[in-house]
Amino acid sequence: GQQVMQIPQYQHVQEGEDFTTYCNSSTTLSNIQWYKQRPGGHPVFLIQLVKSGEVKKQKRLTFQFGEAKKNSSLHITATQTTDVGTYFCAGSRGNEKLTFGTGTRLTIIP
Amino acid sequence: NAGVTQTPKFQVLKTGQSMTLQCAQDMNHNSMYWYRQDPGMGLRLIYYSASEGTTDKGEVPNGYNVSRLNKREFSLRLESAAPSQTSVYFCASSDRYEQYFGPGTRLTVT
Repeated sequence: GQQVMQIPQYQHVQEGEDFTTYCNSSTTLSNIQWYKQRPGGHPVFLIQLVKSGEVKKQKRLTFQFGEAKKNSSLHITATQTTDVGTYFCAGSRGNEKLTFGTGTRLTIIP
Repeated sequence: NAGVTQTPKFQVLKTGQSMTLQCAQDMNHNSMYWYRQDPGMGLRLIYYSASEGTTDKGEVPNGYNVSRLNKREFSLRLESAAPSQTSVYFCASSDRYEQYFGPGTRLTVT
């Protein structure tokens, strides 16, 4: 079945540094979504990408979908303490249900 | 507008006991989902319901049953709990593509 891997599993950064998490699928995806889960909380939808090579920005967050639609990345510029949490990608093919990645847990060192 | 609600928030079961996790949404969404979240494994789909009256297996359905009671409610039942079912369970709903998650149920089976 479809597998979605994320790296790194953990990332510790100094406040103000940049952060990137990468998502790789074993198969070509129709779309990819990103979610954020704060410690002790539930996943919250951030964005969906559907086009090959698509780039979307939300303030300090930049999301990319690869040309082959098999990988994606989330980049956070100048991290803040509010960015703490686990970031998940989730992909689907056609009418199949979402497959979530393993997540990247971001810790900020003040 | 409460979104997605789940009960209970915490539960401890002994091996072999049964219980039902309740989920309700007030957003008039057609699709509902049950996931489990284990450390390092991301979110794995247990069962989903594309519409009232239909249910389908996800990635890890063994040991679980579900009921889509009406459009609002989707329950998850453990008939005979096992320690391997210790996890955090999330219910989610969606209309188009974005999934809205409940606060989760933390279940421990001893």
